[in-house]
Amino acid sequence: GAVVSQHPSRVICKSGTSVKIECRSLDFQATTMFWYRQFPKQSLMLMATSNEGSKATYEQGVEKDKFLINHASLTLSTLTVASAHPEDSSFYICSARDGTGKETQYFGPGTRLLVL
Amino acid sequence: GENVEQHPSTLSVQEGDSAVIKCTYSDSASNYFPWYKQELGKGPQLIIDIRSNVGEKKDQRIAVTLNKTAKHFSLHITETQPEDSAVYFCAASTTGNQFYFGTGTSLTVIP
Repeated sequence: GAVVSQHPSRVICKSGTSVKIECRSLDFQATTMFWYRQFPKQSLMLMATSNEGSKATYEQGVEKDKFLINHASLTLSTLTVASAHPEDSSFYICSARDGTGKETQYFGPGTRLLVL
Repeated sequence: GENVEQHPSTLSVQEGDSAVIKCTYSDSASNYFPWYKQELGKGPQLIIDIRSNVGEKKDQRIAVTLNKTAKHFSLHITETQPEDSAVYFCAASTTGNQFYFGTGTSLTVIP
């Protein structure tokens, strides 16, 4: 149980295009989802927290107009990198927490974004 | 806010030996401490967690200890195997709030 999927697993795009990454909780309802960014050999950096049906809360320094987050249902959150540039290249990982009150976060497999 | 430090950053052990990774945290209100294993190119996988109302938890070859007074917690892996090689992250949080992650430990188990 507690499986989180991400799609796509890898994406290569040209500078200036927008990229959408999907995060799904497959066997539970995720009242809260988190989006992280991870640079090589570094820890996870929280970008934003999203609760189903409400606006995402962004961490300081994360551009909300650049990284658009939508959490439209209890099993799906999307991250759209608008007008991606090479510096946006990174490993993006989502996690989900169920609605039972437990603190546990279950992570997706990650999406490798490369912007040329 | 919370600050989590993790040591060592790299650790090499012989197969069959034990590995210990330590984390300290700063916020005494933190009450949930998970450990994640991340293999190359994959997302973190929860391997064990502990809440502040217990001092130790064990799951087969993996154990976690928590010292609330000293504000530190440790991951213990016994009888290490090559497949244990990965990056391990500790985290601390208060109920319902975000996780604060350590900087990671790259564990290599030498066959």
